[in-house]
Amino acid sequence: EPEVTQTPSHQVTQMGQEVILRCVPISNHLYFYWYRQILGQKVEFLVSFYNNEISEKSEIFDDQFSVERPDGSNFTLKIRSTKLEDSAMYFCASIFDREEVQPQHFGDGTRLSIL
Amino acid sequence: AQSVTQLGSHVSVSEGALVLLRCNYSSSVPPYLFWYVQYPNQGLQLLLKYTSAATLVKGINGFEAEFKKSETSFHLTKPSAHMSDAAEYFCAVSDAGTSYGKLTFGQGTILTVHP
Repeated sequence: EPEVTQTPSHQVTQMGQEVILRCVPISNHLYFYWYRQILGQKVEFLVSFYNNEISEKSEIFDDQFSVERPDGSNFTLKIRSTKLEDSAMYFCASIFDREEVQPQHFGDGTRLSIL
Repeated sequence: AQSVTQLGSHVSVSEGALVLLRCNYSSSVPPYLFWYVQYPNQGLQLLLKYTSAATLVKGINGFEAEFKKSETSFHLTKPSAHMSDAAEYFCAVSDAGTSYGKLTFGQGTILTVHP
């Protein structure tokens, strides 16, 4: 079964540095999402992306965050200047067609540790 | 806006016992509801979904959930727990056509299964 893949599985970065988290959604999917899960807390929506633009974003997704689909396969999340509170598990997800209420397919996540 | 409340952050059962994980939702439109399971160091895997068809939904691994509109609940059950069911379980609600399918998650319930 096709999977959403995320790299790296663990990223350690110094505070203030830029970090890029990478995702390869399922190939025929059209809608893409990033979520994060701070240790011990619930999974929170960050942003959704469709047709090469952001369709919705949460309050968490401030100017330090950006997303991009640089080619036909990758979907990236960039944090421009990381803060300690950005330490979390970041999940990428995708669906084919939101009208069908397809369940979102999640990757295994990238654990981001900010020092 | 949607919200999800999972009653009980930790549930402990004996192997072979009934599993009951509680989820209540709040939604201004007919909801689409999901249960996801997360095993350690893995992503979120869909267990089952409710999309306004049958109110009793069967999922993978013997789990099922019943949608009760009058109680705004979507509790997850399994008649007989197995050791391999030990994981964290998340209930989630999705907008029915009012957004690009973002998921709002509950806080999660950690299920422990004792031999």
